Amino acid sequence: DTAVSQTPKYLVTQMGNDKSIKCEQNLGHDTMYWYKQDSKKFLKIMFSYNNKELIINETVPNRFSPKSPDKAHLNLHINSLELGDSAVYFCASSHGQGNTGELFFGEGSRLTVL
Amino acid sequence: SQKIEQNSEALNIQEGKTATLTCNYTNYSPAYLQWYRQDPGRGPVFLLLIRENEKEKRKERLKVTFDTTLKQSLFHITASQPADSATYLCALDGGSNYQLIWGAGTKLIIKP
Repeated sequence: DTAVSQTPKYLVTQMGNDKSIKCEQNLGHDTMYWYKQDSKKFLKIMFSYNNKELIINETVPNRFSPKSPDKAHLNLHINSLELGDSAVYFCASSHGQGNTGELFFGEGSRLTVL
Repeated sequence: SQKIEQNSEALNIQEGKTATLTCNYTNYSPAYLQWYRQDPGRGPVFLLLIRENEKEKRKERLKVTFDTTLKQSLFHITASQPADSATYLCALDGGSNYQLIWGAGTKLIIKP
C-alpha cells in the first residue's frame, strides 16, 4: 500500500480552468502538507494542516484552496489556472511537526497549464 | 535574507569513492537539519535528521555532519554505487511550527 498517494499524477489543462488534486495518507499522521516544486527544483510549502486545522498558509494566490475533510486527506483545488501555476505539486505528511521529524512525500502531480 | 545553498552543478563521482555534498545556510539558527533523496519523477525520500547538538549522524553508508559555527552540513556517501545517483536535498528547521526550508538540491552522478 502506498503511504502517501496523490491523484492525478499528470494534469494538462487550459488557462482559466479549475482543477483539483487529491491526497490521502494511510500512515495515521497528524499533519499534512502541500508543496510546490518549480522548474528550479525548489520545494516551497504552500499549506499545512494539523488534525484538519490550517497551520501554515504561505503567500499563495487565493485561487489555491486546500480542503481537509479528515486528517487522512488533504485536497488542493485551484481556480482560474494560470501559466505560472505549471509545476509539480507534492503532498506530504508527518507525525507531529515536520520541521522536527521525517516527512513522507507522495509521488507528485505534474500540472501543465497551456 | 535567509538562504540555503547547495551545489547547483552536478557532482560526478567514480563508483567506490566517497561522495560529499554541501549544504550552507545564512541567517538561520536551525535546531534540526534533514537530508532527502529525490529520484526523477518521484517525491523526496527522507534519509537522515541531525540535531544542532549532534556533530555527526550515521546510517549505513551515509554520514551527516552539522557545524552550527560554520553554518554548514556535509552529507557523505561512502563506497558510492551507481544506484546512489539522484538529487539530494537538505532542509532546515525554519523556526516556526511545521516549517521546513529547502535547498534546491545537488544532483549526484556515480559513474561505474
